[in-house]
Amino acid sequence: AQSVTQPDIHITVSEGASLELRCNYSYGATPYLFWYVQSPGQGLQLLLKYFSGDTLVQGIKGFEAEFKRSQSSFNLRKPSVHWSDAAEYFCAVGRSGNTPLVFGKGTRLSVIA
Amino acid sequence: KAGVTQTPRYLIKTRGQQVTLSCSPISGHRSVSWYQQTPGQGLQFLFEYFSETQRNKGNFPGRFSGRQFSNSRSEMNVSTLELGDSALYLCASSPGPSGGLGYGYTFGSGTRLTVV
Repeated sequence: AQSVTQPDIHITVSEGASLELRCNYSYGATPYLFWYVQSPGQGLQLLLKYFSGDTLVQGIKGFEAEFKRSQSSFNLRKPSVHWSDAAEYFCAVGRSGNTPLVFGKGTRLSVIA
Repeated sequence: KAGVTQTPRYLIKTRGQQVTLSCSPISGHRSVSWYQQTPGQGLQFLFEYFSETQRNKGNFPGRFSGRQFSNSRSEMNVSTLELGDSALYLCASSPGPSGGLGYGYTFGSGTRLTVV
């Protein structure tokens, strides 16, 4: 079965600094990969997704992610973090067929002035 | 266009009671999935419905059940509530089945269930 690991439970960055959130997946073939963001008390919002093609994917709010097959990773990046980016971020993996998305445990991002 | 609507937003129930949560997907979306979110376990898949048929079920006891109506609205029911059922229950809709592959999920804001 596929699985997702987000190694960092909590990350704190300064406003204006760059950000990278890590995501590693376990799956035998090329999976479908997603990043979602959740603000307190809210549902999850899709930031970006990867299915195939260009391994660098652009998303909303200035985020991007890079799929690296050799490392089984799909890390999320942002060049300059804004205070409004403070939230919880979830990586998810899916695959073709009759299976639901599997989510990582999430990384909570705090932004300091 | 309207997003995914979950009702109620907050709910407090007593152990042993039962509860029904409702989810209205985006218009035109035929797939509805339910997830339970807790601080310790994260997001855990409950079940998925597509065109009124349950396609997948997660590893939850039989106290958790669901259904989907012909208008794609879905309900989930939890009977004989336990303290451990306290969680945020999230509904996600997509145009197609199988976890929204190719489409991505659109999530509702969730129902916060507290069991006392």
